[in-house]
Amino acid sequence: AQSVTQLGSHVSVSEGALVLLRCNYSSSVPPYLFWYVQYPNQGLQLLLKYTSAATLVKGINGFEAEFKKSETSFHLTKPSAHMSDAAEYFCAVSRPTGRRALTFGSGTRLQVQP
Amino acid sequence: GAGVSQSPSNKVTEKGKDVELRCDPISGHTALYWYRQRLGQGLEFLIYFQGNSAPDKSGLPSDRFSAERTGESVSTLTIQRTQQEDSAVYLCASSLPAGGLSYEQYFGPGTRLTVT
Repeated sequence: AQSVTQLGSHVSVSEGALVLLRCNYSSSVPPYLFWYVQYPNQGLQLLLKYTSAATLVKGINGFEAEFKKSETSFHLTKPSAHMSDAAEYFCAVSRPTGRRALTFGSGTRLQVQP
Repeated sequence: GAGVSQSPSNKVTEKGKDVELRCDPISGHTALYWYRQRLGQGLEFLIYFQGNSAPDKSGLPSDRFSAERTGESVSTLTIQRTQQEDSAVYLCASSLPAGGLSYEQYFGPGTRLTVT
């Protein structure tokens, strides 16, 4: 079985500040991990993914995440927040083979204050 | 290439009515997933199609929910005798074959279902 926990349903940062969105996972097999972003009234867009290669993964829009097996974490970071980063962010896990359906966390809404 | 499309974008129905939601995947994507997103929650997996294999229905919440897919094309999700708890956004995603290395699911814009 797999599960994802996102700590903090709402995170607020100032423009230019560090963004840190937390994700912890549970998986009985080596996982694939993903971060998706959902802008208001839009579909989900893949930000980045970990598929057992490099543990530090770089994605679009300046985001990156680090897979830490010992901590079962896959936190999302961005050095400097931009107003356009305001959105909802979902962490997800899947098995590396077979069905690969995604198990999502409950999401974190990021607000960026001017 | 167009992305994943879904119709209708919004659907309001009365409790007890049946509804049908449609998903057009990206051409060439043999894997297709349906998810449900309730207000303020993450996405829940509903059903998975892979080519001509038997679908994985393990996420369907009740026997009122069913889905079909013809070959590697359009899929329809049907909810019979809708209940208020069925109100949610229903998202469809497609991907290349599940065994591929460059795996990524592409999501449609969703259908917002409201049961009154």
